[in-house]
Amino acid sequence: GESVGLHLPTLSVQEGDNSIINCAYSNSASDYFIWYKQESGKGPQFIIDIRSNMDKRQGQRVTVLLNKTVKHLSLQIAATQPGDSAVYFCAEIPYGGSQGNLIFGKGTKLSVKP
Amino acid sequence: ETGVTQSPTHLIKTRGQQVTLRCSSQSGHNTVSWYQQALGQGPQFIFQYYREEENGRGNFPPRFSGLQFPNYSSELNVNALELDDSALYLCASSLKEVNEKLFFGSGTQLSVL
Repeated sequence: GESVGLHLPTLSVQEGDNSIINCAYSNSASDYFIWYKQESGKGPQFIIDIRSNMDKRQGQRVTVLLNKTVKHLSLQIAATQPGDSAVYFCAEIPYGGSQGNLIFGKGTKLSVKP
Repeated sequence: ETGVTQSPTHLIKTRGQQVTLRCSSQSGHNTVSWYQQALGQGPQFIFQYYREEENGRGNFPPRFSGLQFPNYSSELNVNALELDDSALYLCASSLKEVNEKLFFGSGTQLSVL
């Protein structure tokens, strides 16, 4: 039978446009959230993190928004570039947990059209 | 590049065999975590080693075991391989005392036939 896991949610954007990648997390007690980028053939690469006592954090070209009421996390990428093409994962750490034990979401594949 | 190196990069085994995967952590890091990533899925936590002791384990059977050495490098051993063990195995290192973010290696792609 078909495996749902083989069909990642995909997002296709034009170069220069802004991208928004969404993630619903599972544990209301999670204390810390991280976005990772994984390019083909590589391990996940840290992008940005946010603690549960914040609702927004900005980095270089990226912004993470946290809505604890609906357990939703989003990653905004400004002026998306071809090098941003990758699979993006959100990850959470439950309260009291350590960074070694991350709970990853399924991922979203971002494709940037030149 | 993160400075975390894994070997081998690819490996093919048959069902029932045993496998050992290796990881060298980034310089200055004392904690190693192992993850399994099935095709199209996010990584799943297997276990973490800190100062040569297991320091947390995910929902994996005992046939998944590990070691950490005095130089903080690590091994992941899997016995009695099953077809579903086919996956990308990722190692990540960090410095526990500051709860620093994880730095991942590029992984070992294991295929079980």
